[in-house]
Amino acid sequence: AQSVTQLGSHVSVSEGALVLLRCNYSSSVPPYLFWYVQYPNQGLQLLLKYTSAATLVKGINGFEAEFKKSETSFHLTKPSAHMSDAAEYFCAVTRMDSSYKLIFGSGTRLLVRP
Amino acid sequence: DVKVTQSSRYLVKRTGEKVFLECVQDMDHENMFWYRQDPGLGLRLIYFSYDVKMKEKGDIPEGYSVSREKKERFSLILESASTNQTSMYLCASSEIQTGELFFGEGSRLTVL
Repeated sequence: AQSVTQLGSHVSVSEGALVLLRCNYSSSVPPYLFWYVQYPNQGLQLLLKYTSAATLVKGINGFEAEFKKSETSFHLTKPSAHMSDAAEYFCAVTRMDSSYKLIFGSGTRLLVRP
Repeated sequence: DVKVTQSSRYLVKRTGEKVFLECVQDMDHENMFWYRQDPGLGLRLIYFSYDVKMKEKGDIPEGYSVSREKKERFSLILESASTNQTSMYLCASSEIQTGELFFGEGSRLTVL
């Protein structure tokens, strides 16, 4: 069965440090991939998406992600963390049987220390 | 600004009560979804609708039903609420081409 794995339910970084949130997916064909962010008591917002164009995808708020087919990975990075980045981040991939539906990872909560 | 609106942000219900969660989108999307979000489990798909009056079960449909009488509105129904349905419920609509989801702000349901 398809799956999305986010390594680390919690990641803690200092303000100004590099942010790296990991996502691996199980699929034999490159799907569409997404990163969403959820701030406290809110719904999910799209950060960025990969749709078979450039493998390095730039998103909002300085985040970017690189699609690596050989590693089935789509890790999210940001060069310098800001306090406002503290949130929960979800990686998602379209299902093989239906591009209408997404499979979500279990989420990674990013904590930013002053 | 495009929007998905969920009618209730917070609800408290008693075991056995019938619960309606309403969702409206203004983007003219064909596809609408109800997800359940629980800590450590991510988002799990309850039901999906790809057109008016059309619906499809997701991964965890037991104990839930849905209604889509108009394109912009998708309702989730708990016929007899139970404590294990205490959760955050997220409605979303999507573009057909990429599957990109647009989410509402969520409805946090507590069943006592």
